[in-house]
Amino acid sequence: AQSVAQPEDQVNVAEGNPLTVKCTYSVSGNPYLFWYVQYPNRGLQFLLKYITGDNLVKGSYGFEAEFNKSQTSFHLKKPSALVSDSALYFCAVRDEYRSGNTGKLIFGQGTTLQVKP
Amino acid sequence: ETGVTQTPRHLVMGMTNKKSLKCEQHLGHNAMYWYKQSAKKPLELMFVYSLEERVENNSVPSRFSPECPNSSHLFLHLHTLQPEDSALYLCASSQDRFGTEAFFGQGTRLTVV
Repeated sequence: AQSVAQPEDQVNVAEGNPLTVKCTYSVSGNPYLFWYVQYPNRGLQFLLKYITGDNLVKGSYGFEAEFNKSQTSFHLKKPSALVSDSALYFCAVRDEYRSGNTGKLIFGQGTTLQVKP
Repeated sequence: ETGVTQTPRHLVMGMTNKKSLKCEQHLGHNAMYWYKQSAKKPLELMFVYSLEERVENNSVPSRFSPECPNSSHLFLHLHTLQPEDSALYLCASSQDRFGTEAFFGQGTRLTVV
């Protein structure tokens, strides 16, 4: 069964500094990987995804993520953090398309990003 | 706005009540999902529907009963809930079950008293 781990409950970074939110995954076959952000009392907003192709994926609001197959990681990054980036971030993985898979989207436990002025 | 609308936004119900949560999308998506988000727990997948057929029931208690009458609507019928069922219930939809991102509604905050 597929799984996702986000090893850090919280990441603190100063505004203007680069940020990294970590994610590792476990899935049989090729993974479909996603990052979402959740602001207080809101649903999840899609940031970016990796399906195939370039290992560096660019997404919304200046975020990017690097897929590393050998390390089974998909870390979220941003070169320069903003206070408004403070939110809860979720990594997710979905099965690839094959017989027997239902395509369920499984989420990590979430990482709170705190950007301080 | 993601194009996925959930109603009501807030719901308080007693343990003997019956209520329903509603989710609606007009994005032309073929897959819909229910998730439960509790404090200090990751998002828990409850159900997956694809082309109106339930394809995943993630060991959810029978007091939660989903219904997908058409590809645009998804319901979660609730009866005889427990206080530990209090949570944020999120609906999502995606173009298909594989590869495409899911779009989430804003959720229904459920409190069981």
